[in-house]
Amino acid sequence: DGGITQSPKYLFRKEGQNVTLSCEQNLNHDAMYWYRQDPGQGLRLIYYSQIVNDFQKGDIAEGYSVSREKKESFPLTVTSAQKNPTAFYLCASRGGSFSTDTQYFGPGTRLTVL
Amino acid sequence: AQSVTQLDSQVPVFEEAPVELRCNYSSSVSVYLFWYVQYPNQGLQLLLKYLSGSTLVKGINGFEAEFKKSETSFHLTKPSAHMSDAAEYFCAVSFPHSSASKIIFGSGTRLSIRP
Repeated sequence: DGGITQSPKYLFRKEGQNVTLSCEQNLNHDAMYWYRQDPGQGLRLIYYSQIVNDFQKGDIAEGYSVSREKKESFPLTVTSAQKNPTAFYLCASRGGSFSTDTQYFGPGTRLTVL
Repeated sequence: AQSVTQLDSQVPVFEEAPVELRCNYSSSVSVYLFWYVQYPNQGLQLLLKYLSGSTLVKGINGFEAEFKKSETSFHLTKPSAHMSDAAEYFCAVSFPHSSASKIIFGSGTRLSIRP
């Protein structure tokens, strides 16, 4: 089955620790995205990548880092510099044709800081 | 500035009653429009999208939306609500001629269904 997978589904972190959230897609999509979702605030863009080995900051990149070494993978690291990391994190990807422009989402990872 | 506004944060309806979730956008350039649905602790699923052509778009689960350029609106409707429609719904807009490849999401509308 083609799709986007995120792991783990639930993640607990102690304050001061870095954690990495996984996102993998087998849709052969060029672009990938990370969003943060908080109750009542919709989705906010953290980072996005339009091609391998390239990525751009979104609206709330501080305290986060990413890499895009492979087309299929776009891991997100939540660093200790992120002051309020407890949230639901969503990964998405988009195909190469601008005529569709549709983003497809993974199932999400819920991060809780203890 | 480009933005998406979902006027209602919560919409309660009775089962089998019609549903309307409102979405307005602000943009000086042409747009693509989307509606997504999110069930608790899950990712977003595409309901429908408007890219071009007919302004009345039909999606999954019996939903449809109409693009009204003069009103800058893209309201989501369904003639008869089911209990399984209870979820959060997000309107989104993208810009086909932009190199930024980004989508702007509204803040969401939580649809609840009363028996």
